[in-house]
Amino acid sequence: SQTIHQWPATLVQPVGSPLSLECTVEGTSNPNLYWYRQAAGRGLQLLFYSVGIGQISSEVPQNLSASRPQDRQFILSSKKLLLSDSGFYLCASEYFNTEAFFGQGTRLTVV
Amino acid sequence: SQQGEEDPQALSIQEGENATMNCSYKTSINNLQWYRQNSGRGLVHLILIRSNEREKHSGRLRVTLDTSKKSSSLLITASRAADTASYFCATDYNNFNKFYFGSGTKLNVKP
Repeated sequence: SQTIHQWPATLVQPVGSPLSLECTVEGTSNPNLYWYRQAAGRGLQLLFYSVGIGQISSEVPQNLSASRPQDRQFILSSKKLLLSDSGFYLCASEYFNTEAFFGQGTRLTVV
Repeated sequence: SQQGEEDPQALSIQEGENATMNCSYKTSINNLQWYRQNSGRGLVHLILIRSNEREKHSGRLRVTLDTSKKSSSLLITASRAADTASYFCATDYNNFNKFYFGSGTKLNVKP
C-alpha cells in the first residue's frame, strides 16, 4: 500500500505567476509516478509520468513541466500560469502495473 | 486520444437497484481497472481485471472484460446512497507505464 501526500489542497494564482505543486509518496520504493489534470465534471488527462529519478515523459504539449528530484517526490511546475491551466490536479503512484494510489488533489484556479 | 470511454455519462437509480456502467477502449491492454471518485476528492481503486480474465468479483462489485470487443462493465448490486460517486475505468495499453482514464460515469443513488 502507498500513501500519497499532495499539497496544497486549493490554490488561487494570478495569470503569469509561477506554480509548484509537490507530491510525495510513502510506501514502496521506485514507484511509477503520474500527474493528471481533471477539468470540472470530466475525466482525467494524463500530463506526465515518471518511471524513475530524473525520468519524465510528457503526454501533451503544454505550459507545465514536471521533475522527479528524489525517488518519492514528484513536482509539477510552471514558469507562467495561463487561465487554461486551471483545474484539479492529481498525483498518483503505481508499482508493477497494479493499482494506482491517488493523492487528494489540488484545485488550482488561475485568475 | 487513447482514453477509454464510459457510458452512460450519468446514471440515476433508487437505492437497492443494480447499477451497470460500461467502458470501451481502443487498443490492447495488460489490465483494466475501475476507480471511484467522490466529488472533489482523489480516486480510490475498486478492482483490477487482467487481460486473461473474463470476470471478477469484489463484494457487491462485478467486473467483466471482453477483449474481443475491447469493453468492460462494472456492476454494482444492491446499490446504496453511499455509492453515489463518479466511476472511471483506466487502461494501461501494453508495455507502457501509464494509465489512461475514461471520462467517467456519474452515479446518483437516491435513498
